[in-house]
This record gives sequence, C-alpha cells and structure tokens, in this order.
Amino acid sequence: QVQLQESGPGLVKPSQTLSLTCTVSGGPIGSDNYYWNWIRQPPGKGLEWIGHIFYSGTTSYNPSLRSRLTISVDTSKNQFFLKLRSVTAADTALYYCARGPLNRLLLSWGQGTQVIVSS
Amino acid sequence: DIVMTQSPDSLAVSLGERATINCKTSQSVLHSSHNKNYLAWYQQKPGQPPKVLIFWASTRESGVPDRFTGSGSGTDFTLTISSLQPEDVAVYFCQQHYSTPLTFGGGTKVEI
Repeated sequence: QVQLQESGPGLVKPSQTLSLTCTVSGGPIGSDNYYWNWIRQPPGKGLEWIGHIFYSGTTSYNPSLRSRLTISVDTSKNQFFLKLRSVTAADTALYYCARGPLNRLLLSWGQGTQVIVSS
Repeated sequence: DIVMTQSPDSLAVSLGERATINCKTSQSVLHSSHNKNYLAWYQQKPGQPPKVLIFWASTRESGVPDRFTGSGSGTDFTLTISSLQPEDVAVYFCQQHYSTPLTFGGGTKVEI
C-alpha cells in the first residue's frame, strides 16, 4: 500500500521560500496512472488544492498560486517537491501531499506537515 | 474555477438519526461522454487527512459503510448518513474532480 510523508521546515519567514518534500513508499512515483498532488488547509479552514505533477514532469497549478509556485519530481528518489516563493502569513497552513488517479480523485494522503509563516 | 457551495456549515444529529449535507457546483460536473458526475465526498476526522467516501457522486469507496449514500447530478448533490454512529463525527467536504483547479466545498461539521 502506498504511503506518503511530507517533510520540511515548520517555520518560514515572510517573503522567503517555503520548500516541502513528499517521499513516496510502497509504489513507484514513475507510474503513468497517477497524479501527485499538494493540498493545504489553513488553521480551522477548508481545503485548497495547490497543484499536481505527473511523473513526466507535466504540472497543473492553481491559478491563485501559479506566479509563486513550482512543483517538481525526482523519480530516482521517489519524491516530489513544492516550492512556494514570497510567502506571507496567509500561507500558514497544514500542507498535505496526496496521490490520485487520472480522474483527479485524491485517494492516498500523507499525514500533513504544519507550516507557519512568521518572523 | 468551479465554485463549490456546501451547506449547512454544521449539523447536530442524534445517534441513529439521519444527516443530510448538500453541495452545489457553479457549473455542471456531469461529463457527457461517459455520463459520470465528477463529484466526490470526503470525511476528515480530527488530526487526520481527508478520506474519500464517495466518488462519481454515488459510488462508495471500498470499505465505506452503506449508511453513507451520495446522490445528485449536474450541479446539485447530497451526502446522506442514514443512521448516525459515534464514529461519524467529522467534517465532510465535497470536491469536484471535473476540472483543474480542483475545488472543495467549505466543509460541514457533523456532531452528535
């Protein structure tokens, strides 16, 4: 069974870059059957889809974040990555990575990693 | 973007009673080529990530109890819990997987 684990700094200063890694185990990230997603959830609020990547490197981003966002993948390490530039307090959230089939469901999730943007 | 409007924000239901959650999409999520509604329901318990309950608007994910039922088509959808159990206390979200950006309803908190 696939497992996903988010990792990265829990505290980022305003205007800096938030960088997260999702490590996948129990299955290859280099599969043409899945998208690899990032989703976030601000404290006490709902879910926001950030974007996804296919193993080939093809991406789809939420337009609300596109200008600051890069999602990438390293199939040799079975990892994919999130970089969000110029962060503000509004980017404070629990960040999840998730795997989903090509119909864009979100079936397998990591436990999430809390990121706080504060000086 | 497809806007998801979910109601109510919260719901208190007695054990064994029915809970009904509504979700409205700003445009149809019915894919005409194979007649499927790209609408899913998720359950999120405290400290856990969301878990898929229902997809294609009415197909239960493997292992989901049959007291959970999804219905609706086009732009109007409903999740019904027929007989609320203690373990059903959670926040429920609808999500459209018709097009990117994927979007979610605001969530409904179900309490006893």
